Amino acid sequence: AQSVAQPEDQVNVAEGNPLTVKCTYSVSGNPYLFWYVQYPNRGLQFLLKYITGDNLVKGSYGFEAEFNKSQTSFHLKKPSALVSDSALYFCAVTASYNNNDMRFGAGTRLTVKP
Amino acid sequence: NAGVTQTPKFQVLKTGQSMTLQCAQDMNHEYMSWYRQDPGMGLRLIHYSVGAGITDQGEVPNGYNVSRSTTEDFPLRLLSAAPSQTSVYFCASSYGGGTYNEQFFGPGTRLTVL
Repeated sequence: AQSVAQPEDQVNVAEGNPLTVKCTYSVSGNPYLFWYVQYPNRGLQFLLKYITGDNLVKGSYGFEAEFNKSQTSFHLKKPSALVSDSALYFCAVTASYNNNDMRFGAGTRLTVKP
Repeated sequence: NAGVTQTPKFQVLKTGQSMTLQCAQDMNHEYMSWYRQDPGMGLRLIHYSVGAGITDQGEVPNGYNVSRSTTEDFPLRLLSAAPSQTSVYFCASSYGGGTYNEQFFGPGTRLTVL
């Protein structure tokens, strides 16, 4: 079955600095890749997805992610972090041949300090 | 639109008790799913449905039942609660038959089993 690894439990950045949240995946066949964000005591919100096409995908709130097939990675990036970006970020994968079963990573807590 | 709604927000059960977590969506989405969120483990798929009358098991289905008699509702039943089922439960829905489109998440139900 497909799986996702988020190697960092916590990422700390200063406001205004670029941020990266890492994600690697494992799947048979072509992946569909997603990033979701969770604010305290809330459900998850969709940020962006890669289905096919351009390896660089842009999403909500200035976030973007790059699909790298050779490294099986889908890292989330933002050029300039905001304090309001502080939240829990989840990478998720599903397989193109069976996209009913989505697997999430354990999550990375991003803290942006003023 | 109310989006995805879940009731109750909080619940405490004793071991062996049964209960139903309610989930409803008003977006006419075909796909609905139930996840549980545990610290350090991300979200894990319990059951999903691709339309009324159609349900299937996810990654962690044991101890849970679902049904989908209407497009709008997707209740999750705990047959005999166990402390291992203490978790935060999220319902989600998406347009189309799978997860390749953005999933909309409910606010969650925090369940404690004593």
